[in-house]
Amino acid sequence: SQTIHQWPATLVQPVGSPLSLECTVEGTSNPNLYWYRQAAGRGLQLLFYSVGIGQISSEVPQNLSASRPQDRQFILSSKKLLLSDSGFYLCAWSVGQYGYTFGSGTRLTVV
Amino acid sequence: DAKTTQPNSMESNEEEPVHLPCNHSTISGTDYIHWYRQLPSQGPEYVIHGLTSNVNNRMASLAIAEDRKSSTLILHRATLRDAAVYYCIPSYGKLTFGQGTILTVHP
Repeated sequence: SQTIHQWPATLVQPVGSPLSLECTVEGTSNPNLYWYRQAAGRGLQLLFYSVGIGQISSEVPQNLSASRPQDRQFILSSKKLLLSDSGFYLCAWSVGQYGYTFGSGTRLTVV
Repeated sequence: DAKTTQPNSMESNEEEPVHLPCNHSTISGTDYIHWYRQLPSQGPEYVIHGLTSNVNNRMASLAIAEDRKSSTLILHRATLRDAAVYYCIPSYGKLTFGQGTILTVHP
C-alpha cells in the first residue's frame, strides 16, 4: 500500500536560520508531489508541485524553494527563514489528478 | 481555476443527514468536482469526486447538478468524527483549496 512520510512533526526555528523539510512516498512510482502551507486560521496554499525528478513548478514567489532529487522524495528548503514562514506545511502525492494523499504535516514556528 | 462558493459554517446533530452545498458556476467542462475534508491539526482527507453523474462511496454521496454549476456533498448519518472543514474543489490537475465549510456536529 502507498504511504507518505513527512518529518519532523513540529519545528521551532529562529529567524534567519535555514530550513529543510523532507517528504517521501512509498508504494507508488512517478507520483505527482506537492507542498502546501496553511498559515494560522487560513486556507491551504499550494507552494510547489512536481511531476517528475528535477521538475519543480512554483505557485507563489516566496522565500522558499523545492527540490525533487529522487522519484519519491520531495524537499522544501529555505536559506533564511522569515517570521511569515511560520505555518503548517503539508506534503501530498497523487497519481494523475485523483485522490491526493496528504502527509501528517510539519508545524513550523519561526521565532 | 473555477471560483467556488461554500457556506462558511454549518451545524448538524449526530446521526442526522447533512447536505453541504457548493456553487461553482465557472467550472470548465474538463474539471472534476473534488471534495476533501480536514480535521483539526491534520492534513486534508479525500472524500469523493465526480464529473457529471452522482457518486456514492462508503464515506458520502455527491450530487452534481445537471448543468454542473453546483454540487452537494451528502453525509447520510453525521457522526462526531465528521466534524471538519469540508472543501469543494473543481479542478483538472492541481487542487486549489478555498476557505471551505466548517461543519459542527452536535451530540
